[in-house]
Amino acid sequence: GIQVEQSPPDLILQEGANSTLRCNFSDSVNNLQWFHQNPWGQLINLFYIPSGTKQNGRLSATTVATERYSLLYISSSQTTDSGVYFCAVNAGNMLTFGGGTRLMVKP
Amino acid sequence: SQTIHQWPATLVQPVGSPLSLECTVEGTSNPNLYWYRQAAGRGLQLLFYSVGIGQISSEVPQNLSASRPQDRQFILSSKKLLLSDSGFYLCAWSRASGNTIYFGEGSWLTVV
Repeated sequence: GIQVEQSPPDLILQEGANSTLRCNFSDSVNNLQWFHQNPWGQLINLFYIPSGTKQNGRLSATTVATERYSLLYISSSQTTDSGVYFCAVNAGNMLTFGGGTRLMVKP
Repeated sequence: SQTIHQWPATLVQPVGSPLSLECTVEGTSNPNLYWYRQAAGRGLQLLFYSVGIGQISSEVPQNLSASRPQDRQFILSSKKLLLSDSGFYLCAWSRASGNTIYFGEGSWLTVV
């Protein structure tokens, strides 16, 4: 099956810093999503981005499907950005998740 | 708007006892439905998905089962829980394969 790798696995930032999270996948996909899992476990949709670039406030994402990677940018990070960020790709019925990036933003 | 709910939110069960987690979706018809498990705070694993009533596909062989008795209802069950079944279980839905997927609040299961 398709492999999804995220980097870095863990990231510690000072509040106000910027960061880039990466997601690599091993095969062609027809869907890519980024999620934020908050400390209570809830998975919140950030972007549906099979290709191109999208922005939502301080967050933006870019997917280069031909090179099989996606990037999530967080600018001016806040403590509420802490949690785990997952990318997930779909090549059929099954959504395959990466291992996640655990982000901690310190005040 | 569409909503998804699952319950119970937290469950502590002894080894060998049965399990039933329920998930319902409102505001849409004929959704694709999914059960995922997350162990140890990382990586989500797809357990089951369903594209219609009575249609269940299993991705991982185990002592869990799923049923879809109604269009917008998805149930995860076990006849006898194992310690290794502990984890965070998430129900999810999408309009169709390849579309945006939305998750429920999750259910924390501890098998003791």
